[in-house]
Amino acid sequence: EDKVVQSPLSLVVHEGDTVTLNCSYEVTNFRSLLWYKQEKKAPTFLFMLTSSGIEKKSGRLSSILDKKELFSILNITATQTGDSAVYLCAVDTGTASKLTFGTGTRLQVTL
Amino acid sequence: NAGVTQTPKFRVLKTGQSMTLLCAQDMNHEYMYWYRQDPGMGLRLIHYSVGEGTTAKGEVPDGYNVSRLKKQNFLLGLESAAPSQTSVYFCASKHQGYEQYFGPGTRLTVT
Repeated sequence: EDKVVQSPLSLVVHEGDTVTLNCSYEVTNFRSLLWYKQEKKAPTFLFMLTSSGIEKKSGRLSSILDKKELFSILNITATQTGDSAVYLCAVDTGTASKLTFGTGTRLQVTL
Repeated sequence: NAGVTQTPKFRVLKTGQSMTLLCAQDMNHEYMYWYRQDPGMGLRLIHYSVGEGTTAKGEVPDGYNVSRLKKQNFLLGLESAAPSQTSVYFCASKHQGYEQYFGPGTRLTVT
């Protein structure tokens, strides 16, 4: 059974802190790993990672994949209250590009 | 572009009633998906479609049926609603090789 595990489950930080969110996976077939941000409603896409060791970056957010150790991290530097959300990790297992999701990390950024 | 839209946004059903959730996308995507999201469970795939006229079961298909008569629409049906189907339902669509785009969700309560 395919499995995606995220840690921590929740996190409270102060504005300006740097956070690292973790995602490990065990799947029978790996095509890519995706990160999404979910605020009140629909998950919105952040990154898609397919190759090990290549960092993807967007502003204060960055992510990297390790296909040997089967994990990914999402870093957020200089956090802002607008970063408060649930961050979801998902693995595309290839067949019809189905995604297996982790349960998410709930991040709260306080002033 | 409206992206992915879902109808209705909220619904309350009594046990045993039936209903259909509508998902529409205007991006000409081949693939479409229905997920449910429950607290502590992450997003779980119910059914998916790789093209007009084709559907397949996901991880949690029991109690649901789907149809994709037109490329832009993906319908999710509950024939006899049960309290265990109380959840938030998300539809998503994608082009092959790209990320999934999610709709805003439908909050369904079955009493």
